[in-house]
Amino acid sequence: DADVTQTPRNRITKTGKRIMLECSQTKGHDRMYWYRQDPGLGLRLIYYSFDVKDINKGEISDGYSVSRQAQAKFSLSLESAIPNQTALYFCATSDSDRTDTQYFGPGTRLTVL
Amino acid sequence: AQTVTQSQPEMSVQEAETVTLSCTYDTSENNYYLFWYKQPPSRQMILVIRQEAYKQQNATENRFSVNFQKAAKSFSLKISDSQLGDTAMYFCAFMKRLAYGTASKLTFGTGTRLQVTL
Repeated sequence: DADVTQTPRNRITKTGKRIMLECSQTKGHDRMYWYRQDPGLGLRLIYYSFDVKDINKGEISDGYSVSRQAQAKFSLSLESAIPNQTALYFCATSDSDRTDTQYFGPGTRLTVL
Repeated sequence: AQTVTQSQPEMSVQEAETVTLSCTYDTSENNYYLFWYKQPPSRQMILVIRQEAYKQQNATENRFSVNFQKAAKSFSLKISDSQLGDTAMYFCAFMKRLAYGTASKLTFGTGTRLQVTL
């Protein structure tokens, strides 16, 4: 079983719809992250969380919100999706007690029409 | 703010040959990590290799090794005995080392697409 899972893997939605992307991990890591990947731009950080009481904005947080429901779960929401949020979204985790290395989920491809 | 530059958008190498992917970065930090991630067509982001800035010795992982030049702010990846399965997008990434109790982010380059051919 994968250590970091993301649901859904693919999603097509319409402008104005609310969308939630979910991330779960079995690695026992305390830190979780949401990144966005656009062609030619690499990955950019949306939000990150040290633990369930800690939420921080990344470099491109506008239009997004997150929820850390438990240590193992970190959800990303688009309250009102717009076409330029079409991208590949990755969740990642890391362990503050070890190496700070981030491990990624399989990604969610989101298309906003 | 940190920046990471990968100046080679695409590269090609024949199977069994060696290829080097370039990465430079800009930072005023002294304590940090550098990474290479691989993204095959399956789109999964896979950690290839990790380097801690305070270590002078270059990291190696099987056929993958790095040439870390801290003064020059250069972090290249060498792939030896290239295999078809190495075909992927390769991203260089930087992360500042923080004190315990705070999370840090990865800053990625724009990637190099590597094609391994027969």
